Amino acid sequence: AQTVTQSQPEMSVQEAETVTLSCTYDTSESNYYLFWYKQPPSRQMILVIRQEAYKQQNATENRFSVNFQKAAKSFSLKISDSQLGDTAMYFCAFRNTGTASKLTFGTGTRLQVTL
Amino acid sequence: DTGVSQNPRHKITKRGQNVTFRCDPISEHNRLYWYRQTLGQGPEFLTYFQNEAQLEKSRLLSDRFSAERPKGSFSTLEIQRTEQGDSAMYLCASSPGVAGEQSSYEQYFGPGTRLTVT
Repeated sequence: AQTVTQSQPEMSVQEAETVTLSCTYDTSESNYYLFWYKQPPSRQMILVIRQEAYKQQNATENRFSVNFQKAAKSFSLKISDSQLGDTAMYFCAFRNTGTASKLTFGTGTRLQVTL
Repeated sequence: DTGVSQNPRHKITKRGQNVTFRCDPISEHNRLYWYRQTLGQGPEFLTYFQNEAQLEKSRLLSDRFSAERPKGSFSTLEIQRTEQGDSAMYLCASSPGVAGEQSSYEQYFGPGTRLTVT
């Protein structure tokens, strides 16, 4: 079974600064997908960024980028130029490429962006 | 496209009562998922439908839980004889995709139904 570990329960960053959220995972599969989801307070979860394991290039979406280290089974999220609207719970998630396609989530990191 | 909707948003019930939640996925999405999220935890997978077929169930889904997706559109999740341990946020998600197809399609989440069992 796959597991996802987020070792930072809470983090804080000042507006306009950069922050990195950590995620490690365990799997015996060679091909899979990794995701970062954002869950703002009292709002629904939305996808921030995704990474296919067979791609060596790290995914980037505007201010969000990942550092995917397949051998180390590490998948960190970097948020540049942090904004107040980035305040949320961030969940790292893993998905096999099989058709079942369920997501396995970590326990989340609560990010607070301050003035 | 109004996204994934869930009703009710909040439900308070007494232990031993039955409850039913509804999820309406994005209209063209064939895949529908239910997850449960307890306080301080990430969502945990409960079950998955491809159209009307329930293809996978987690062992978290005890005999008191049943899910249906008649006609492959909306889905219901019923919990019988609720227990205090059932208190959680129940999330529904949907994604496009056909049977047998591998894809990295995003799962779109609804706002959830928060269940409190007293």
